[in-house]
Amino acid sequence: EIVLTQSPGTLSLSPGERATLSCRASQSISRAYLAWYQQKPGQAPRLLIYGASSRAPGISDKFSGSGSGTDFTLTISRLEPEDFAVYYCQQYGSSPQYTFGQGTKLEIK
Amino acid sequence: QVQLQESGPGLVKPSETLSLTCSVSGGSMTTSYWSWIRQPPGKGLEWIGYLSYGGGSDYNPSLRSRVTISGDTPKSQFSLSLSSVDAADTAVYYCARGDFRKFDDWGQGILVTVSS
Repeated sequence: EIVLTQSPGTLSLSPGERATLSCRASQSISRAYLAWYQQKPGQAPRLLIYGASSRAPGISDKFSGSGSGTDFTLTISRLEPEDFAVYYCQQYGSSPQYTFGQGTKLEIK
Repeated sequence: QVQLQESGPGLVKPSETLSLTCSVSGGSMTTSYWSWIRQPPGKGLEWIGYLSYGGGSDYNPSLRSRVTISGDTPKSQFSLSLSSVDAADTAVYYCARGDFRKFDDWGQGILVTVSS
């Protein structure tokens, strides 16, 4: 099983700042199979990034993804109040076919 | 955009079977992968399994012995059955649509509590 470890667990920033969220895989995965989601309280997750760096339809260009191998990053530029949420990375690969990281909570400082 | 809506009982007794249905609108079930994902209160996401557009299925090994996902394409519905539940199965259950790599569209989720 591929384990995804996200860091930090909680990130405290102010509106207008830049957020950098990390996702590290226990073994190398294809860029094509790494996605990022945003989840707000009481809501379902929303797909932000797929293929490590491609934005999903309708997603603002302030969200960007990068990385390869075992290290992936989600960057959010110019934080706005609606960006404060929990973010999950997800991989497709070996059994179980899909695993998620434990999440990073982005909170207002 | 495809819309999904979960339905089913919100309370299930220990040792019984949890049964949920996902109704799909705005798209055909003859494409895509149709998944169930759950989230225990205050915790992270766990993939349960999927039904593919071709009728195949796959499940999380940790749940495989207890899970069945089936579909009714003419009704645009697919269902989850999880047997022998206990308190650890208490979670918000989401249905989702995607390709084989990711989950593009999600239902709003339904909280299922396992309790006597």
